[in-house]
Amino acid sequence: NAGVTQTPKFRILKIGQSMTLQCAQDMNHNYMYWYRQDPGMGLKLIYYSVGAGITDKGEVPNGYNVSRSTTEDFPLRLELAAPSQTSVYFCASSYAGGRGDTQYFGPGTRLTVL
Amino acid sequence: DAKTTQPNSMESNEEEPVHLPCNHSTISGTDYIHWYRQLPSQGPEYVIHGLTSNVNNRMASLAIAEDRKSSTLILHRATLRDAAVYYCILRDPPPNAGGTSYGKLTFGQGTILTVHP
Repeated sequence: NAGVTQTPKFRILKIGQSMTLQCAQDMNHNYMYWYRQDPGMGLKLIYYSVGAGITDKGEVPNGYNVSRSTTEDFPLRLELAAPSQTSVYFCASSYAGGRGDTQYFGPGTRLTVL
Repeated sequence: DAKTTQPNSMESNEEEPVHLPCNHSTISGTDYIHWYRQLPSQGPEYVIHGLTSNVNNRMASLAIAEDRKSSTLILHRATLRDAAVYYCILRDPPPNAGGTSYGKLTFGQGTILTVHP
């Protein structure tokens, strides 16, 4: 299994540009998550999905959109990029959202908005 | 959300045991205690979790206080590869206990573990 994969690894955007961060998992997990991590800080949840066609907001959803058309893929869309969105973005997945469940993380996408 | 408190940083020597403490005095009776770690320039990885009893796996041991208000992650023989930020997290309770349906992980700032050769 490849686990959770993310592309691209790095990206520089200009203010106002848009892009999609890709995330895929091959573990047949129902739950998928997008987090962002600012320098020296812990991760904050942006959006999550409990299955194909079902998504909901996390703690910091403003400026982002998601979709989940398949179990495997959970892309994160940035519209009108702003410097405040400079961060490292992590995608994660888990089989279920139970309290004993484990989340598996991808390697991250480092985004800089200039 | 129930909160956890961890020291900002700890240091250890290679091949020695490391005890990473975590306080969670407001833990509810059904909160699981999870530990994740984040190696430099990588995504977090799961280490261990438990509810009431002490737990062991190939990576570490988790010692949970009898009153569950604190726990300790134990690395039995630290290696240079164990240098990371360690996060102690209380997994979000289910909706009928005031939480969410998706098991939110709330990351604090964690403990930066430095391992000296």
